[in-house]
Amino acid sequence: DIQMTQSPSTLSASVGDRVTITCRASQSISSWLAWYQLKPGKAPKALIYKASILQSGVPSRFSGSGSGTEFTLTISSLQPDDFATYYCQAHNNPFGGGTKVEIK
Amino acid sequence: QLVESGGGLVQPGGSLRLSCAASGFTLSNSWMSWVRQAPGRGPEWVANMNPDGSERSYVDSVKGRFTISRDNVENSLYLQMNSLRAEDTAVYYCARDSNWGQGTLVTVST
Repeated sequence: DIQMTQSPSTLSASVGDRVTITCRASQSISSWLAWYQLKPGKAPKALIYKASILQSGVPSRFSGSGSGTEFTLTISSLQPDDFATYYCQAHNNPFGGGTKVEIK
Repeated sequence: QLVESGGGLVQPGGSLRLSCAASGFTLSNSWMSWVRQAPGRGPEWVANMNPDGSERSYVDSVKGRFTISRDNVENSLYLQMNSLRAEDTAVYYCARDSNWGQGTLVTVST
């Protein structure tokens, strides 16, 4: 079974900061990785699929990279709307534990 | 497009069958999965099935109680849920990679 590990679990940052979240898979998943944003009371929003492809309508400040077992989500300049919890997921497989991005 | 149905209120120990109608692509050519989100919690992967149906995997908490299946003629995915527990209460989503349906709410309560 594939297991996904995210780090850090919590991240404190300010508006305008560059933020990077890491996700590691227990085995190679090629580029089959997605990133989601979760806000309270809402369904998860897909940001990126196949490791680096932005979903339609997602701001270009979000980017994804990596392949095999190591992946990163980067927010180039954190905006007020970006304070949320982020999850990685191997396509059709378990999620990582989440990274909460909070206001510093 | 993925459209789920079949959710509702059920007593502990009861059963429900969720359905997911797919359009715009052929289910039998795709890995498919069910994902759930309990109130106030993050998303949880529940089960998946490979394109030819020969491989099915489940999260430990539902093994032996839930069954994922598919009807190629109807182009639909299913999740049979038996011996339901209060902790199975969640919105259940059908998913193909990062594309999800709108979800269907399952509430397990007396």
